Amino acid sequence: DADVTQTPRNRITKTGKRIMLECSQTKGHDRMYWYRQDPGLGLRLIYYSFDVKDINKGEISDGYSVSRQAQAKFSLSLESAIPNQTALYFCATSDFPGGRRAGELFFGEGSRLTVL
Amino acid sequence: ELKVEQNPLFLSMQEGKNYTIYCNYSTTSDRLYWYRQDPGKSLESLFVLLSNGAVKQEGRLMASLDTKARLSTLHITAAVHDLSATYFCAGSNSGYALNFGKGTSLLVTP
Repeated sequence: DADVTQTPRNRITKTGKRIMLECSQTKGHDRMYWYRQDPGLGLRLIYYSFDVKDINKGEISDGYSVSRQAQAKFSLSLESAIPNQTALYFCATSDFPGGRRAGELFFGEGSRLTVL
Repeated sequence: ELKVEQNPLFLSMQEGKNYTIYCNYSTTSDRLYWYRQDPGKSLESLFVLLSNGAVKQEGRLMASLDTKARLSTLHITAAVHDLSATYFCAGSNSGYALNFGKGTSLLVTP
């Protein structure tokens, strides 16, 4: 089983619909992240959380919200989806920078979202 | 905010040749990461560079870090087709979340 699991893997929805992407991890990491990938733009940070009570906006948080339900679960919501939110979304986890893996990110398989 | 720039963004090279991908970053980064992504797949960690002068090698790939020049390089030696992928570098400022470059799409041809 994957250490970082994202659901759904693929989703097609319509403009204005509410969408939730879920992420769960078994790595025991405190830090979790949501990134968005668009062709030619690399990965851009949407939100990140360093523990259950910590939520931080990233570079492109407008139009998104998150919830950290537990150490192992971090969900991303689009309250009213729009076509330019069509992208590949990645959840990732890490330990802290001084940890054994030096803050290295471990990624889920990605959730491909299409907004029509 | 830490900005990360990679070049080139696209690279087509012949098997057996050597090449270097460059990663420049805008402000102090306390560590530098390299990732590989195959088409339609997730990202896989290649290297973590933690200090000035750090060099790491795995097979035909070698990564280095020069914090004074704010530059990391990924050197490819005697390229093979299996190295075709997109390579990303990412930096972290003071332990915060990673900022990624736009990626270098590498195609190795016979």
